[in-house]
Amino acid sequence: DGGITQSPKYLFRKEGQNVTLSCEQNLNHDAMYWYRQDPGQGLRLIYYSQIVNDFQKGDIAEGYSVSREKKESFPLTVTSAQKNPTAFYLCASRSSGYYNEQFFGPGTRLTVL
Amino acid sequence: AQKITQTQPGMFVQEKEAVTLDCTYDTSDPSYGLFWYKQPSSGEMIFLIYQGSYDQQNATEGRYSLNFQKARKSANLVISASQLGDSAMYFCAMRDEGAGTALIFGKGTTLSVSS
Repeated sequence: DGGITQSPKYLFRKEGQNVTLSCEQNLNHDAMYWYRQDPGQGLRLIYYSQIVNDFQKGDIAEGYSVSREKKESFPLTVTSAQKNPTAFYLCASRSSGYYNEQFFGPGTRLTVL
Repeated sequence: AQKITQTQPGMFVQEKEAVTLDCTYDTSDPSYGLFWYKQPSSGEMIFLIYQGSYDQQNATEGRYSLNFQKARKSANLVISASQLGDSAMYFCAMRDEGAGTALIFGKGTTLSVSS
């Protein structure tokens, strides 16, 4: 089945540590996105990539980094520079069909201890 | 700047009743796309329905329909014959053409369906 996988589902981090969230898709989509969701809030864009080896900052990129070495993979690193990283992180890829809708992974819940 | 506003933090409805979730948007682009997503307690985002700014008819997908009023810049989601499984958070979103067609989301509406 085609889809997006994210791992791990839950992640705990000590302050000062960098952590990497995995996102893999087998939908053959070019564009991929990372969003952050805080409790009771909508999603906010962290980074996006429209093609391999290219990515752009979104609205809240500070303290995060990404890479796009393969079409299928778009990992997100939460660095120690991110002041308030506890949140729910969602990865998405965009269809090239009529709607151009985004398909989302199941998310990773990150908690800083 | 583009913006999505959802003014209903929570809505309550009984099974088999219809419910309308409000969404207003702001954009200066003549061409835009509007989406509704459902987020159950598991956290995944499920695409429900799409409305393009130039679509002549209001979008429908099964029990979901979109009441699109372009002049008022509103795109309300109508769920007919509510079911217990409809209990979730619902987000209205707009495509941001300036950010790789990422989505701009509203803050969401929590829908609770009771028996």
